[in-house]
Amino acid sequence: DVKVTQSSRYLVKRTGEKVFLECVQDMDHENMFWYRQDPGLGLRLIYFSYDVKMKEKGDIPEGYSVSREKKERFSLILESASTNQTSMYLCASSSRGQHYEQYFGPGTRLTVT
Amino acid sequence: AQKITQTQPGMFVQEKEAVTLDCTYDTSDPSYGLFWYKQPSSGEMIFLIYQGSYDQQNATEGRYSLNFQKARKSANLVISASQLGDSAMYFCAMRESTSYDKVIFGPGTSLSVIP
Repeated sequence: DVKVTQSSRYLVKRTGEKVFLECVQDMDHENMFWYRQDPGLGLRLIYFSYDVKMKEKGDIPEGYSVSREKKERFSLILESASTNQTSMYLCASSSRGQHYEQYFGPGTRLTVT
Repeated sequence: AQKITQTQPGMFVQEKEAVTLDCTYDTSDPSYGLFWYKQPSSGEMIFLIYQGSYDQQNATEGRYSLNFQKARKSANLVISASQLGDSAMYFCAMRESTSYDKVIFGPGTSLSVIP
């Protein structure tokens, strides 16, 4: 079974803190994605990576950065957390090729106070 | 600009009836893929069905079928014989071949199945 795991289910951080969200997949997928999910807005793509050390901005990259040093691991970094980054964060992975579906992790609900 | 539009924020359907969830998309890429995912209240995202832009036939997977109208840029999900377990959020998504496998999602439709 494909497995995508995320480091935390729930996280509470203070404004201004640096936050690391980690995602690991065990299916040797080339592509990895970070989304945030907010009610009424669906899933919005923050960043994605199509190979080790490669990254592309999604639709809402401001305030975020990412790191992919190993194929199985994709980290999302909030350099200085703000309250408007309170959200559900979903990581996904997929094989390369437009017909391959994504596999999602369980999500991290981040609250910034 | 919104690339995926789902105009129905919420829908109700009677158990055992069929329901259609709308999705329209915008792309100039001739090669793309369209996906539907289900997200129950537990939060996990479940892949339901895929349609390629060059596929001649509409995709089907069990009770799910995709009504693909390429000229109208429409990819509606049809669920036949609704069950209580179909109550969930449903998301339409698109992957364009020119964008490094980037996948973008619509805002979703909340479906409630009434017994």
